[in-house]
Amino acid sequence: DQQVKQNSPSLSVQEGRISILNCDYTNSMFDYFLWYKKYPAEGPTFLISISSIKDKNEDGRFTVFLNKSAKHLSLHIVPSQPGDSAVYFCAAYDRGSNYKLTFGKGTLLTVNP
Amino acid sequence: IAGITQAPTSQILAAGRRMTLRCTQDMRHNAMYWYRQDLGLGLRLIHYSNTAGTTGKGEVPDGYSVSRANTDDFPLTLASAVPSQTSVYFCASSEQGSNQPQHFGDGTRLSIL
Repeated sequence: DQQVKQNSPSLSVQEGRISILNCDYTNSMFDYFLWYKKYPAEGPTFLISISSIKDKNEDGRFTVFLNKSAKHLSLHIVPSQPGDSAVYFCAAYDRGSNYKLTFGKGTLLTVNP
Repeated sequence: IAGITQAPTSQILAAGRRMTLRCTQDMRHNAMYWYRQDLGLGLRLIHYSNTAGTTGKGEVPDGYSVSRANTDDFPLTLASAVPSQTSVYFCASSEQGSNQPQHFGDGTRLSIL
């Protein structure tokens, strides 16, 4: 049973436009959410996070929104750049899990020049 | 440059052979993790260690063992490799405490024939 779901395997956007990556979760014990970015042949890199007590966190071009009642979060990238093309993973910490991070399957973002 | 070093970068191994994947970090992080990444399945936790001298099982621990003799090193051993263990393996570390971002190495690509 997948507890963190990224239902879009891929997303393609035009340079300069907004990219919106979505993530749904089922475990109500998740209390901290993270987004990672992964280029081919490299390890995932931490991008941005949000605590369950907040509904928005912003860092430059990247903003994460959390809707707890819907168990949904999204990552907005504005404006999108070709260098943003990568696989994006949504991940969540379970406050009862002893530091174990649960990942979604990832979404491949392609930003076209 | 501080970070996580994984070795080897890639390996082809005959089924039934023993293999140890190495992971070393120089950030003095207490917690370390091993994940495998398979196509369509995202990252799945194999084993983790919250501090030197302790280890725990993740989501997919069967066929793997780990040890944590000191803070910096966290080797992953396949006692008798099987083809289903063909995957990309990522080591990660984080500061102790809940909700800390995990930092990843660049992975080991392992093929079991």
